[in-house]
Amino acid sequence: NAGVTQTPKFQVLKTGQSMTLQCAQDMNHEYMSWYRQDPGMGLRLIHYSVGAGITDQGEVPNGYNVSRSTTEDFPLRLLSAAPSQTSVYFCASSYSATGQNSPLHFGNGTRLTVT
Amino acid sequence: AQSVTQPDIHITVSEGASLELRCNYSYGATPYLFWYVQSPGQGLQLLLKYFSGDTLVQGIKGFEAEFKRSQSSFNLRKPSVHWSDAAEYFCAVGAGRPGGGADGLTFGKGTHLIIQP
Repeated sequence: NAGVTQTPKFQVLKTGQSMTLQCAQDMNHEYMSWYRQDPGMGLRLIHYSVGAGITDQGEVPNGYNVSRSTTEDFPLRLLSAAPSQTSVYFCASSYSATGQNSPLHFGNGTRLTVT
Repeated sequence: AQSVTQPDIHITVSEGASLELRCNYSYGATPYLFWYVQSPGQGLQLLLKYFSGDTLVQGIKGFEAEFKRSQSSFNLRKPSVHWSDAAEYFCAVGAGRPGGGADGLTFGKGTHLIIQP
């Protein structure tokens, strides 16, 4: 069982470039989310989805877009990268958005550097 | 809005010694509380969670945590640490969605655990 798979693991972008961070889960999880992790800041929620076709903003959504066309995939798009988006990005999923025994499963992260 | 405070940025413990990592939360209702561990270059792994009931919860790898409503705390403990426990530890609170769900989880800033031989 692969769990939550993120690609790429590392990426360097120039300011203004665009790219998509991929996230896929094979656990048939209803809920998926993207966090960014910055030194001394913990993890902050960017966007989340409670099911295919449904997305919503988290704490720090600016500069990022998401879509959820399938249950398995939840890509994160940076339309015009900025140095402030240099971070480690984590995708996470859980079986249910509301179920009690439904903890988050995390991918191994994508380390993004914007120069 | 909920918040989580982990007062200790770094903690150094000798191998075999006991460990307590502190976590304080702010939330208006009964919180859903979590501890996650992150090894270098890895994602976060759930250690344990509290939803309701017994205030002392057991987790994986020999960890436990105690929910104290009067102190708004959810401290993580381990009676004897191993070198492999060196990692970053995050406390998190869920806004009524145990899976982290629609409101997401609010994470503390983490405590970096260093194990001395």
